[in-house]
Amino acid sequence: SYVLTQSPSVSVSPGQTASITCSGNKLGETYTSWYQQRPGQSPVLVIYQDNERPSGIPERFSGSNSGNTATLTISGTQATDEADYYCQAWDSSTAVVFGGGTKLTVL
Amino acid sequence: QVQLVESGGGVVQPGRSLRLSCAASGFTFSNYAMHWVRQAPGKGLEWVALISFDGSNKYYADSVKGPFTISRDNSKNTLYLQVNSLRPEDTAVYYCARDPGGNDCFDQWGQGTLVTVSS
Repeated sequence: SYVLTQSPSVSVSPGQTASITCSGNKLGETYTSWYQQRPGQSPVLVIYQDNERPSGIPERFSGSNSGNTATLTISGTQATDEADYYCQAWDSSTAVVFGGGTKLTVL
Repeated sequence: QVQLVESGGGVVQPGRSLRLSCAASGFTFSNYAMHWVRQAPGKGLEWVALISFDGSNKYYADSVKGPFTISRDNSKNTLYLQVNSLRPEDTAVYYCARDPGGNDCFDQWGQGTLVTVSS
């Protein structure tokens, strides 16, 4: 089955840039989406189709996807961005796959 | 505005069954594929099942294939998940999520309903 791998945690200082990666075999050949989940809340879509932002998502959220790695980048990170982030992709054999999640800490 | 409201969760003994519901409003429910996604306590997201907009196609994660059945009633704007033969490892918050179609993502999520399997 298809596996997406994320680092368990990332730390960033306020105002700096956070990069969260998601790795999978030939991931760049399919679309990747990203979800933000704050404690006790439901997931929220922040990036779809690798680099598209839904309405209402701040411009500081951006994405890229190439080769085996997709990246979520948060520029000018704010305290409110502290959350768990999950990547997600589709696979022909597994259907929907989520990464294990990355906990973003804003120090 | 778009709303997805899950219900039907609770505490259940191993081997028993539950039917989870997801009531949709604020959009044309019959135009969208829908999914169930679950999250065990302190763990990550796990996709469970998908149903096409008209209910004609259904797909399941290998971990739930057999005991779980996804269905929908477009006349009632409601999505269902019948969960049978429950095991302790099925303990999780179960979310319904909307598939906008063509974007390979889930653009709207419900608040979730907690299923606890315990004797």
